[in-house]
Amino acid sequence: AAGVIQSPRHLIKEKRETATLKCYPIPRHDTVYWYQQGPGQDPQFLISFYEKMQSDKGSIPDRFSAQQFSDYHSELNMSSLELGDSALYFCASSYPSGSSYNEQFFGPGTRLTVL
Amino acid sequence: DAKTTQPNSMESNEEEPVHLPCNHSTISGTDYIHWYRQLPSQGPEYVIHGLTSNVNNRMASLAIAEDRKSSTLILHRATLRDAAVYYCILRDGGSGGSNYKLTFGKGTLLTVNP
Repeated sequence: AAGVIQSPRHLIKEKRETATLKCYPIPRHDTVYWYQQGPGQDPQFLISFYEKMQSDKGSIPDRFSAQQFSDYHSELNMSSLELGDSALYFCASSYPSGSSYNEQFFGPGTRLTVL
Repeated sequence: DAKTTQPNSMESNEEEPVHLPCNHSTISGTDYIHWYRQLPSQGPEYVIHGLTSNVNNRMASLAIAEDRKSSTLILHRATLRDAAVYYCILRDGGSGGSNYKLTFGKGTLLTVNP
């Protein structure tokens, strides 16, 4: 079965540089979530999109922005990178059917290292 | 989202049952109880969810206390592949489609011994 695709899988950037992470949800899934997991930490919700509109926002720095495109893929743009942004970034997708129990399917993650 | 409390770690032997507890004393009437797990170097993976009644699926069983203030995830026969961090998460079922995020707390690290 098709899974959530994230690219790139690994990314190395210098401080103050910009990074773009991409997420391709499972076909027919129209909701995308972004999570950040720092070293030894638990995943933390960043932002979500439903039908190309931002639906919820968590502890996402102002330096980060995201959007969902017409084909439902999503991109997380990170500017002025800091050492503390080094983390695993997970994308998840789900198909909302009007209830809150739809499971989220997670991608393999993008490991971002800021030097 | 209401908070959950889980033991930091648990240990099991292969092919034995495992009972992973979760306390959620401040759960509201519309909160669903979800369990996800994260295997090493992988993204989280859905395990099971429930509201009031006990639930079974191919991966596990979920036993929910009558007062809903606690629940237990049951792995009937642990395998080495079940070694992971298990997260118990409450999701508000009354907030509509815009609030389906998962709020991960400190999960339980399950070690399975061969």
